[in-house]
Amino acid sequence: GAVVSQHPSRVICKSGTSVKIECRSLDFQATTMFWYRQFPKQSLMLMATSNEGSKATYEQGVEKDKFLINHASLTLSTLTVTSAHPEDSSFYICSARDRGAGEKLFFGSGTQLSVL
Amino acid sequence: GENVEQHPSTLSVQEGDSAVIKCTYSDSASNYFPWYKQELGKRPQLIIDIRSNVGEKKDQRIAVTLNKTAKHFSLHITETQPEDSAVYFCAADDDYKLSFGAGTTVTVRA
Repeated sequence: GAVVSQHPSRVICKSGTSVKIECRSLDFQATTMFWYRQFPKQSLMLMATSNEGSKATYEQGVEKDKFLINHASLTLSTLTVTSAHPEDSSFYICSARDRGAGEKLFFGSGTQLSVL
Repeated sequence: GENVEQHPSTLSVQEGDSAVIKCTYSDSASNYFPWYKQELGKRPQLIIDIRSNVGEKKDQRIAVTLNKTAKHFSLHITETQPEDSAVYFCAADDDYKLSFGAGTTVTVRA
């Protein structure tokens, strides 16, 4: 199947700092990527849909100024958690559609963010 | 928007027995229903999927059924093995975005 690479896998940072997470589709072009957040023992909650060359679409309740998304190319989307606080600690995971694989969604390996 | 409900939240089965997880969805526009297996701290792995023009699909010990009229779909795992222990998520896709169920923690007892 298609490969989606996500980095870093784990981040520990101080409160108030910003953290950037990268998501790359390695062997296909992804016009749309999705960013999810997952708390322990809970489901994946869609945060935003990232569209190449345009502004991201955020889900209700997700602060767009807090979670900056950039999708500058067909293979790269980034999520920046600005001025991170302990309540932002979570597992963040991206996904991308491979239209060449019947629109299936493939996931990155996730980023565990811990804000001290 | 789409609302996906998943039951049960936890499921404990004896090795060799079958496991069944059920999901319902609300949006008739959803036309693709994947199932994911997720181990702790790992990415969800697609294990099987079904499209709305198909009623049933099987892949070795895993099968999925879809009742589009009733808006529900189910995952069946037969001859369960300890390595089947994980969290399973159903999802519904309306070509725009994927909405997940709450997940089912499956424990296979040896």
